Amino acid sequence: DAEITQSPRHKITETGRQVTLACHQTWNHNNMFWYRQDLGHGLRLIHYSYGVQDTNKGEVSDGYSVSRSNTEDLPLTLESAASSQTSVYFCASSADPQEAKNIQYFGAGTRLSVL
Amino acid sequence: RKEVEQDPGPFNVPEGATVAFNCTYSNSASQSFFWYRQDCRKEPKLLMSVYSSGNEDGRFTAQLNRASQYISLLIRDSKLSDSATYLCVVGRYQKVTFGIGTKLQVIP
Repeated sequence: DAEITQSPRHKITETGRQVTLACHQTWNHNNMFWYRQDLGHGLRLIHYSYGVQDTNKGEVSDGYSVSRSNTEDLPLTLESAASSQTSVYFCASSADPQEAKNIQYFGAGTRLSVL
Repeated sequence: RKEVEQDPGPFNVPEGATVAFNCTYSNSASQSFFWYRQDCRKEPKLLMSVYSSGNEDGRFTAQLNRASQYISLLIRDSKLSDSATYLCVVGRYQKVTFGIGTKLQVIP
C-alpha cells in the first residue's frame, strides 16, 4: 500500500544545531507539504513543492528550507534550531488537482524539541 | 480575517446526541472543501469531502453553502469514539488551508 513516512518520529536537539526531518511518500504524488502544529495555531504551512526542483515558501518559512530532488522525498531542514521551533511537524502529499480534490495525506508526524 | 474560521470548542456532548459544527471561509474562489479528523497527538485524516449538493457517510453529513461561505458537519448518534478534533479544510488549486479545529468530547 502507498504511504507517507516521516523520520525520526521524535527528536531532541540543542539550540543552534542543524536538523533535518525526512519525508518519503510512495503515492507518486507531485505535491508535497510541510506543516507545523502548535497549540492555538492549528496547522501552519512551512514550505511546499509542486514537483521535482520546485519549492515554495509558506506562511512560516523563516529558519526552514526544503529541497526536492525526486518525487518521493521532501526533507525539511532547520538551519539553526531555535526554541521557537519546538513543535510537531507534519508532512503531507497530494495528487494534482485535475485528478481531483486536493486531498492531502499525512505522515505520522515528528515531535521536535529544541533545548 | 482568517481564511478559515472555526469555533475551537470544546463541545462536550452525551453519547447518542446530535452535534453540528460550522466553519466559515473568506475566499469566495475556493474550489474544494473537506472535513478532517485528528485524534490527540496523531496525524489529520480525511473524514469526508464536502459538496454543494451535500453528502452523507453513515452518521456524518456535510454541507456546503457557497453563497454564505460556510461548511457544516453534522454527527448523529454520537459515539465515544467520535471524540477528536475536527478540522475544516478549504482549498484552491493545489493548496489548502486548515482551520484551527473544533474539539469534540463525547461523554458516557
